[in-house]
Amino acid sequence: DTGVSQNPRHKITKRGQNVTFRCDPISEHNRLYWYRQTLGQGPEFLTYFQNEAQLEKSRLLSDRFSAERPKGSFSTLEIQRTEQGDSAMYLCASTPDRGYEQYFGPGTRLTVT
Amino acid sequence: SQQGEEDPQALSIQEGENATMNCSYKTSINNLQWYRQNSGRGLVHLILIRSNEREKHSGRLRVTLDTSKKSSSLLITASRAADTASYFCAPLETGANNLFFGTGTRLTVIP
Repeated sequence: DTGVSQNPRHKITKRGQNVTFRCDPISEHNRLYWYRQTLGQGPEFLTYFQNEAQLEKSRLLSDRFSAERPKGSFSTLEIQRTEQGDSAMYLCASTPDRGYEQYFGPGTRLTVT
Repeated sequence: SQQGEEDPQALSIQEGENATMNCSYKTSINNLQWYRQNSGRGLVHLILIRSNEREKHSGRLRVTLDTSKKSSSLLITASRAADTASYFCAPLETGANNLFFGTGTRLTVIP
């Protein structure tokens, strides 16, 4: 068990470009979460998957954001037409089906210039 | 949303002293969790206390929960420089699947 991994670790992009992040949860963890964290703040919930089903999305998640978990394993988070306000750390976490503790990945730091 | 609110926002202590952080929340919960985030590192789960528990220990950590006051506290005993981090509480609202984190308590332990 190597823990939750996220790629890339850092991404610098120009405003208006699209970016995609990947999260590989701990194997056999059914639930997967995406969060966004800005400096000095706690993580803000974005969306949640149970296996391949996206069960909840935050109102923070604008139409420019989309997330998938096609086979119930890894997940991708895409941001279209990036804006400077999208600059943040994007965190992924997973949880086993019968547990509550969330295991976080190292995050992807996005900088939009 | 069921967001935890930590208090104080920042705390600075000498190594060896105890550190106490508090958390308040607003609705009924299934459990409440505490997480730690070191500078440059990801979030790490520390301890979970269920709504029917009043106190829980894990190593140098002691967590209390008072559901009548909708509050929890995290005590770190005999602090170490390595305990320097931000600490977040995350209540899990009854029937919910998501955690909502507050802004955290920034703990600095001075060697």
